[in-house]
Parts: sequence; C-alpha cells; structure tokens
Amino acid sequence: RKEVEQDPGPFNVPEGATVAFNCTYSNSASQSFFWYRQDCRKEPKLLMSVYSSGNEDGRFTAQLNRASQYISLLIRDSKLSDSATYLCVCPFSGKLIFGTGTRLQVFP
Amino acid sequence: DAMVIQNPRYQVTQFGKPVTLSCSQTLNHNVMYWYQQKSSQAPKLLFHYYDKDFNNEADTPDNFQSRRPNTSFCFLDIRSPGLGDAAMYLCATSRDGMNEQFFGPGTRLTVL
Repeated sequence: RKEVEQDPGPFNVPEGATVAFNCTYSNSASQSFFWYRQDCRKEPKLLMSVYSSGNEDGRFTAQLNRASQYISLLIRDSKLSDSATYLCVCPFSGKLIFGTGTRLQVFP
Repeated sequence: DAMVIQNPRYQVTQFGKPVTLSCSQTLNHNVMYWYQQKSSQAPKLLFHYYDKDFNNEADTPDNFQSRRPNTSFCFLDIRSPGLGDAAMYLCATSRDGMNEQFFGPGTRLTVL
C-alpha cells in the first residue's frame, strides 16, 4: 500500500458546485495532516492543516477519519480560481509524504 | 515578509555541465528540504538538513549533492546533469520537520 494515495482526477465541476477529494494514508501513528494547493508550474502552498477531527476555513472543510485512515477536502461553492492540483500530505518516518495530487478544473 | 527565495528561477545547462541552485530563507527554520518535481508528479524528496545534519534519501542519485553553510542558505549541486534531470526543483523549510513546510517558487531546470 502506498504511504499516501489520492484519486488523480481530473474533477471537472461547474462554478458553484460542491466537490470532495479523499486521501488515504498508511501510517496509523500520523497525528497531523496537510492539504496543499499547487497551481500549474508554481510551488505548493499550504491550504489547510488538520490536527484533530477536522478543520474549516470559509468554503473549505477538511475532515479526518482515523479509524479508516483517510482525510477529505470539501470545497463548497467552487470558483474558477479554485482550479488547481490539491496535494494531500502526511507525516511518515519523520518526513512529510506528498500524494500525487488531485486535479480540479472548475468551468463557467 | 518572511519567505523562501530560490535563485535562479530558470536555469538552462548543457548535458554534463555542473549546475548549482540556491535557496535562502528568512523564516529561521531548522529544516531545509530539496525536492524534484516532474510534470504531473508529486514532489520527490531528494534530501534535507535538520540544522547541520544531512539526511539523504536512499534513492537520490549520487549526482545530486547539497550544502548548507548556515541556517539561511542551502544549495543543490548537480554534478553532471542528464536529460532526465530536467525538472522543477523546489526548496522548502519547516520549523521542526513535523509541521507544515513552506516552499520557495522553485527553479525550473532545462538540460540541453
């Protein structure tokens, strides 16, 4: 099993839609998790940190399910500017392991 | 603003010609990382420094070396670039290695 697994997408959704991405991880001892956003040909930027059961920031909600070892990212009321790749990141063996990312394309 | 800076942003080199990429940070973070990212792939960790302690990934080729002369600066040396080394190279920092990482804008390397 890969340390961090994500559905690569792409997810194509209209403006205003709600979309959710899942990410599974293998290290049951991981305590904190992160979602990064990466625009084409740019660096990853931290979107949200998840330290307990979840976190919410405006239109973005991250949830953690420790029993099933997955974290999710929910985006409500999608904007065109949300189009990007979303990277799930989990600590593993003292490092942060990046998933391959889920690509989101929001269309008008 | 505290930040992570990478120079140059774009680097073109010839096959086999050594190249050095630079990273500096004003965050005063203990840990600095170098990643290689190719198109449509996740960033791949090459190595990292925790203070002066160097940690190499097992699958990082010997062709890649790094130096961290002080807290603020870290360099990536590619001794003999091959065509397969063309990629985006990302530098990142972390306060203690288990919290979020902050990335520089990257250096896009082209090998001719």
